[in-house]
Amino acid sequence: EAGVVQSPRYKIIEKKQPVAFWCNPISGHNTLYWYRQNLGQGPELLIRYENEEAVDDSQLPKDRFSAERLKGVDSTLKIQPAELGDSAVYLCASSPPGVIGYGYTFGSGTRLTVV
Amino acid sequence: AQKITQTQPGMFVQEKEAVTLDCTYDTSDQSYGLFWYKQPSSGEMIFLIYQGSYDEQNATEGRYSLNFQKARKSANLVISASQLGDSAMYFCAMRGFNFGNEKLTFGTGTRLTIIP
Repeated sequence: EAGVVQSPRYKIIEKKQPVAFWCNPISGHNTLYWYRQNLGQGPELLIRYENEEAVDDSQLPKDRFSAERLKGVDSTLKIQPAELGDSAVYLCASSPPGVIGYGYTFGSGTRLTVV
Repeated sequence: AQKITQTQPGMFVQEKEAVTLDCTYDTSDQSYGLFWYKQPSSGEMIFLIYQGSYDEQNATEGRYSLNFQKARKSANLVISASQLGDSAMYFCAMRGFNFGNEKLTFGTGTRLTIIP
């Protein structure tokens, strides 16, 4: 079974430029999460999808961040324009329906550096 | 609201010794789940162990066990017979079951270094 796939693995951009991250969850996992992990910190939730519906986006900075999950499978997270403080690792995770004790499966993350 | 507290920023342990990583939590949910994840230097988050709030027995997975003390709101991870490959960041996390808490909330992590 393929795991959660994220791309790109690394991205370096100049401030004020746009950037996009892509995530393909595990087949059958209807719940998808985007987390941001700052250096030396634990991951923090940005947005949670149940199928194609964003059910928790309260921590997403909506002035510059956007996300979509078309057809309830792949998801894209976009930042426009990027700021220096956006430098972090962006993690995507997925989980299957109805299984509480199943640890969410994380992708390898995208390490974003804004210069 | 949910909160996870990990008070040990870093730990050094001799190989083959047991190690306990501390985790305390706070939540208003009656039902919740507690998780431990390992994050090696490569960056991926690896699920280690899960404890449900109503589970009467402490969870165990191989060398990992979770010392769950509900009254004290603690969920410490115990690694027996530590190995060099255990060197990594370890994160405690929780998930509530009430509306708005159905997400993993993480602590700040503990960096574990195993000394040969």
